[in-house]
Amino acid sequence: GDSVTQTEGPVTLSEGTSLTVNCSYETKQYPTLFWYVQYPGEGPQLLFKVPKANEKGSNRGFEATYNKEATSFHLQKASVQESDSAVYYCALGESGGSNYKLTFGKGTLLTVTP
Amino acid sequence: GALVYQYPRRTICKSGTSMRMECQAVGFQATSVAWYRQSPQKTFELIALSTVNSAIKYEQNFTQEKFPISHPNLSFSSMTVLNAYLEDRGLYLCGARQGQDTQYFGPGTRLLVL
Repeated sequence: GDSVTQTEGPVTLSEGTSLTVNCSYETKQYPTLFWYVQYPGEGPQLLFKVPKANEKGSNRGFEATYNKEATSFHLQKASVQESDSAVYYCALGESGGSNYKLTFGKGTLLTVTP
Repeated sequence: GALVYQYPRRTICKSGTSMRMECQAVGFQATSVAWYRQSPQKTFELIALSTVNSAIKYEQNFTQEKFPISHPNLSFSSMTVLNAYLEDRGLYLCGARQGQDTQYFGPGTRLLVL
C-alpha cells in the first residue's frame, strides 16, 4: 500500500534559520502530494499541494518540489519565524477516483525559538 | 471560503457508552467526507470514506457496527462511536471534499473515555 516517511522530530530552530523537512513516499499510483500544517487544538490545514511531477508548490515562504524520480517532496523554508512552530505533515492522495484517500506521514514537530 | 466545522470540540464519556459527533461543510458541497482518528501514538488513521450516492467504505480495523456514519446531504455528516473504550481515545477529524478538489479538515472532536 501507499506510505509516506518524513523527518522524525522534534526539530528546534532559531528564528531566521533555514528549514528542511524530508519527505519520501511509496505508491503505485500517480499521486498528488501535499503538505499540511497543524497548530495546537486545530485540524490540519493545507499548506500547499502539487498534482504533477517536477512541479513546485509554495505558500507562506514554504516550498517543495515533486520529485518523481527520487519519490521525494521535501519541505523547505529559507528563514523560519516563531509563528511557524507547528506540526507539519507530508501526505499523498490519489489523483482521481471515487475512493480518494490521503495517506499521511507521522508528522514533524517544529519549534522555532526567538 | 471553504470551512469545515465539527462539534462538539471536546467530549468525555464513560467507558461502554456511545458518543455522536458532527461535521458541517460551509461554502462548498461535501460530495465526500472522510473520518480520521488521530492519536498521540499514531498519525492519522482513516476510519471510513463516505461519498454521496455510494456505500460508505470502512478501512480495515474499523466497522460500521462500531463507527456508524451518516451523510444525508452535501453539507453534513455525523459519526457515532459506539461502546467507547480507552483505545478509542483521540482526536476525530472530518475531512470534506467537493469532487476532485482539496480535502478540508475541521478542528476535530477530542474524545476522552473514562
